[in-house]
Amino acid sequence: DAGVIQSPRHEVTEMGQEVTLRCKPISGHNSLFWYRQTMMRGLELLIYFNNNVPIDDSGMPEDRFSAKMPNASFSTLKIQPSEPRDSAVYFCASSLLRVSQTDTQYFGPGTRLTVL
Amino acid sequence: KNEVEQSPQNLTAQEGEFITINCSYSVGISALHWLQQHPGGGIVSLFMLSSGKKKHGRLIATINIQEKHSSLHITASHPRDSAVYICAVWEETSGSRLTFGEGTQLTVNP
Repeated sequence: DAGVIQSPRHEVTEMGQEVTLRCKPISGHNSLFWYRQTMMRGLELLIYFNNNVPIDDSGMPEDRFSAKMPNASFSTLKIQPSEPRDSAVYFCASSLLRVSQTDTQYFGPGTRLTVL
Repeated sequence: KNEVEQSPQNLTAQEGEFITINCSYSVGISALHWLQQHPGGGIVSLFMLSSGKKKHGRLIATINIQEKHSSLHITASHPRDSAVYICAVWEETSGSRLTFGEGTQLTVNP
């Protein structure tokens, strides 16, 4: 299996632009997670899905952030409009079990976002 | 006070040494994860614990639920173990809040 796939790997955009990050989980996995990592705040869980349904989005920082999972093999994290403070590495992870807390997560390589 | 605290923040060791990284938390948890972040940025999940002890190769993770404490041990350390090790806990009360420690930067010198 190719593992969790994220695209793009690097994104540079200007403040105010819309940014869409993409994730393809490991085939057969039932849970998907979006994380953000910054020097100031470390790793943070933004949102996670079980069987394509958002379970908890309390980590999503603002209404400018939205995430969707239209099917079991694809998820997007959208920032509109983007701001310089959104600059971070965004990781996607997936796990096999639907009970997400007790299962190993497999991380994608991350998308490094820079908002100028 | 952070809900999840790791110690030490930085650790330098010589190849072959036994290493211990600690994680203390202040909330009730349903599970605790240990993650490894490589110098290139990639993240690997090492262990998930809800009780007791787990071993994988040279890595051992233990958890004491009563004392709200977990340790990650590395036996016969090697330079390739150099990475940031991160502890994360699923909070029991909220059911879905995952809180991370700040990480421990480990450097193993040859």
